[in-house]
Amino acid sequence: QKEVEQNSGPLSVPEGAIASLNCTYSDRGSQSFFWYRQYSGKSPELIMSIYSNGDKEDGRFTAQLNKASQYVSLLIRDSQPSDSATYLCAVKAAGNKLTFGGGTRVLVKP
Amino acid sequence: NAGVTQTPKFQVLKTGQSMTLQCAQDMNHNSMYWYRQDPGMGLRLIYYSASEGTTDKGEVPNGYNVSRLNKREFSLRLESAAPSQTSVYFCASRTVKGGSYEQYFGPGTRLTVT
Repeated sequence: QKEVEQNSGPLSVPEGAIASLNCTYSDRGSQSFFWYRQYSGKSPELIMSIYSNGDKEDGRFTAQLNKASQYVSLLIRDSQPSDSATYLCAVKAAGNKLTFGGGTRVLVKP
Repeated sequence: NAGVTQTPKFQVLKTGQSMTLQCAQDMNHNSMYWYRQDPGMGLRLIYYSASEGTTDKGEVPNGYNVSRLNKREFSLRLESAAPSQTSVYFCASRTVKGGSYEQYFGPGTRLTVT
């Protein structure tokens, strides 16, 4: 079993809709959670971080964390074609390392 | 600030050749990382350096060596390249701001080994 799992997609959403991405992790000691966006041929870019249970909103993005169920999700409201990218979930347990999921590819169709 | 820079951007090697990938950051970060990214595999950690003078193995260290030259620079060396090392290599550095933990990535090096 992978330590951090994501559905590879593609997740196809119409422009203006909500895109919902999920990520599950296996290490109950995980402390910090991150979402990165990666456009094709580019490097990952940090878009959200969340450290405690509940929701965290930043613009059109909302991260949701449930440590008891070991999942973290990302909602993208009012999806735009420019949101088409691969979204990587990353989890930090003890120590200095992040573990990444395989990414979910999102396609926003005009 | 340039952030995290990597050289070269592209490289083609023949099997058995050696090369060094360079990474530098100007954000005064203590920790630096090397990842490889293969289709469908996500980012996998090769080596990391928690602070100047220390290095540790990550998930896939075989076939690689690293040097933390100073606080700014962290290089990755392939001594004898193999086709299995064809990948995109990303360097990253980490800040810890107010208890948060954020990694910032360089633009990547696309390496092909024939």
